[in-house]
Amino acid sequence: GDSVTQMEGPVTLSEEAFLTINCTYTATGYPSLFWYVQYPGEGLQLLLKATKADDKGSNKGFEATYRKETTSFHLEKGSVQVSDSAVYFCALSESNTGNQFYFGTGTSLTVIP
Amino acid sequence: NAGVTQTPKFRILKIGQSMTLQCTQDMNHNYMYWYRQDPGMGLKLIYYSVGAGITDKGEVPNGYNVSRSTTEDFPLRLELAAPSQTSVYFCASSPGWPAGNTIYFGEGSWLTVV
Repeated sequence: GDSVTQMEGPVTLSEEAFLTINCTYTATGYPSLFWYVQYPGEGLQLLLKATKADDKGSNKGFEATYRKETTSFHLEKGSVQVSDSAVYFCALSESNTGNQFYFGTGTSLTVIP
Repeated sequence: NAGVTQTPKFRILKIGQSMTLQCTQDMNHNYMYWYRQDPGMGLKLIYYSVGAGITDKGEVPNGYNVSRSTTEDFPLRLELAAPSQTSVYFCASSPGWPAGNTIYFGEGSWLTVV
């Protein structure tokens, strides 16, 4: 079945450091891929998405490229800020699974000044 | 600009009590979901609905019930609360394929069972 495997955390970085959070997936068809962010005490918010192979999703300086050949959707940011401290979830959804969403376990990021 | 609205935000229940978490969405989405998130963990699907009058079990349905009488509302009922149900509960909705299948979350309901 469909699944998402996410890099385990927690991750601690200094401000302005480069961020990569790895995400790989297993799917039977052609899924859409997502990154969601959860700030402390809040619900999950969509950060970015990509709907087909080689698409790049981007938002707020974060980027992720849909790589079908490696079944990956790694999240990157060139220079993190303290305000980026949150939990990041990778997810997928495809039409042949009844609109189910499959989430990774989440990666906690803390950025220190 | 409401999106998905959940109430209450916080609740303390005694063991054996029952309660309903309310969820409503104003985006006319067909799909609605209830997830729980235990401390430091990911999301687990409790129940979902593909439209009014249709519900189905997710990964962890035991101890819960749902109904979907309208497109907008998807309440989650906890019967005979147990400490294992202490968690954060998230309601979510999605328009489904091919309309664009992003899932939108409410702000969460923090439930403690003592």
